[in-house]
Amino acid sequence: KNQVEQSPQSLIILEGKNCTLQCNYTVSPFSNLRWYKQDTGRGPVSLTIMTFSENTKSNGRYTATLDADTKQSSLHITASQLSDSASYICVVSAGTYKYIFGTGTRLKVLA
Amino acid sequence: NAGVTQTPKFRILKIGQSMTLQCTQDMNHNYMYWYRQDPGMGLKLIYYSVGAGITDKGEVPNGYNVSRSTTEDFPLRLELAAPSQTSVYFCASSLGLAETRGTQYFGPGTRLLVL
Repeated sequence: KNQVEQSPQSLIILEGKNCTLQCNYTVSPFSNLRWYKQDTGRGPVSLTIMTFSENTKSNGRYTATLDADTKQSSLHITASQLSDSASYICVVSAGTYKYIFGTGTRLKVLA
Repeated sequence: NAGVTQTPKFRILKIGQSMTLQCTQDMNHNYMYWYRQDPGMGLKLIYYSVGAGITDKGEVPNGYNVSRSTTEDFPLRLELAAPSQTSVYFCASSLGLAETRGTQYFGPGTRLLVL
């Protein structure tokens, strides 16, 4: 069964600190992996997309890594800001029009 | 550009009622999608469209219908509302499928409560 599991479920950090969110997947076939940021009451916004051959991709203070061998991805947030408070969703494409969404990690950044 | 817009933002329906969730995008994207997001669950694809006049079922299509008469609009129809359809509905669009062209742009969502 295709599954995407994210950890932790929730995380609280202080402003300015770094954090890493995890995504483990059992999806076949694998097309690509995306990370989205979803603010409360809003639609998801794309942060990064990685294909099988890519190990790292950055978008400002967000850096995603992918290990296709172990089927793990991480999203690292550097120097967190209050505006980073949101849910972060990992999505793996299992071929065309097959999107397996994780349940997300809820991040809270405190001043 | 407004991006992807959805109306209404919130709606309460009685069991058995019908309604249409509206979705419009102004980015000239060929691909459009409808998802539902239930509490504590990942988004699920309901229907998608690859262009005007072409639609197909996603993972959870039962109880829904769609049409795509123009590139811009992709309405989602609920014919006989059931409590199981209580959810937040997101419309999205993309330029293509692969890599950055496949980046999906989401609307703000419609929160639907069926009582």
